[in-house]
Amino acid sequence: DTEVTQTPKHLVMGMTNKKSLKCEQHMGHRAMYWYKQKAKKPPELMFVYSYEKLSINESVPSRFSPECPNSSLLNLHLHALQPEDSALYLCASSRQYQETQYFGPGTRLLVL
Amino acid sequence: GQNIDQPTEMTATEGAIVQINCTYQTSGFNGLFWYQQHAGEAPTFLSYNVLDGLEEKGRFSSFLSRSKGYSYLLLKELQMKDSASYLCAVRDFGGYQKVTFGTGTKLQVIP
Repeated sequence: DTEVTQTPKHLVMGMTNKKSLKCEQHMGHRAMYWYKQKAKKPPELMFVYSYEKLSINESVPSRFSPECPNSSLLNLHLHALQPEDSALYLCASSRQYQETQYFGPGTRLLVL
Repeated sequence: GQNIDQPTEMTATEGAIVQINCTYQTSGFNGLFWYQQHAGEAPTFLSYNVLDGLEEKGRFSSFLSRSKGYSYLLLKELQMKDSASYLCAVRDFGGYQKVTFGTGTKLQVIP
């Protein structure tokens, strides 16, 4: 199994909603990442987990809350988002922190 | 910090060869990655260079010159499916070895 999976593929939510994005990998990778990508822009790093501990938070607003329940799973909890948070949210994993990252297909989020 | 430059767009003909350049400035270089990203999809890893020279993988090759802060991705025998954005990403030695992505080069392959 060499893939990273993400659910849902698409998500539409209102500014008062609470939703969660999920990411899973079974490659035994010990580092997992959340990125945000706007149209025609490069991915922007949000969070990094290494060995299930939050290693990096790139000054992301608290309306985004990451969680790593175990070494295979990574969640991103969303609450009170703004329309400008609409983007493609990508999850990635790597064998160790900052080794080659493998990306999931992403969740396309629209905040109304 | 890092500064990564790539051409915004390129057009090439099916069957031809195209070279996509990437220049970077970083306080401490520790590796360069190339990713392919089709519109609306996730980036897919293509290659990794940390030492000077050429890495070849089938139709794709990547070159690195650390002294010049320069890399290129060479695509041979272009196919229509190669139409995509190509992202150069640089890993920094300093701090927490962050990987920063360039803005990408959108390649259009025409018949």
